Amino acid sequence: QSALTQPASVSGSPGQSITISCAGSSSDVGTYNLISWYQQHPGKVPKLMIYDVYKRPSGVSTRFSGSRSGNTASLTISGLQAEDEADYYCLSYTTSSNYLVFGGGTKLTVL
Amino acid sequence: QVQLVQSGAEVKKPGASLKVSCQASGHTFSGYYIHWVRQAPGQGLEWMGWINSKSGGTNYAQNFQDRVTMTTDTSINTVYMEVSSLRSDDTALYYCATAVEGEGLDVWGQGTKVTVSS
Repeated sequence: QSALTQPASVSGSPGQSITISCAGSSSDVGTYNLISWYQQHPGKVPKLMIYDVYKRPSGVSTRFSGSRSGNTASLTISGLQAEDEADYYCLSYTTSSNYLVFGGGTKLTVL
Repeated sequence: QVQLVQSGAEVKKPGASLKVSCQASGHTFSGYYIHWVRQAPGQGLEWMGWINSKSGGTNYAQNFQDRVTMTTDTSINTVYMEVSSLRSDDTALYYCATAVEGEGLDVWGQGTKVTVSS
């Protein structure tokens, strides 16, 4: 059982915005900036989308943004596109299990 | 640009040991932290630990401390991850990954499929 809680699924229509949450605690998300987000299409290798809470790697669309409020981090995708349909995982530093822990993952469906 | 190339698929029997390699190409990765992540069929990502590819220092997730050993061979830009006492629930895709440009895991290996079955 993951220490970080994500919704199992979210959905949205093309052009809409969606937000995926990653709920943790003061031992991880609430205190440390080592929070990253990964996109994984079926059968593919995970891809880094956001790091250090809100920073975007070069080449990642500006439609992807990260934020944090209290013990919850969030990934927002604006202008939803069919290609955004994938699984998304948050990853955070944690003091409770020796360094890093993934969220359980969220399946994004573009309607 | 660093690329990580992993060893090929493995089939093991319960109780056996497994050793997966992860070699850097395109750039020496001495000093990088190489993380290992696994994904069981139909399941999410699970962080296993990291190794400093230069010093050999390691940090294992609590779930793997008793059965996982990570080592490095700087002469061939390769790190290894060994899992002992394999069980059927160790069946998974195992990835190595590293952070090159920032603090996120931005470079990943292609994955190594491991099947544990009698």
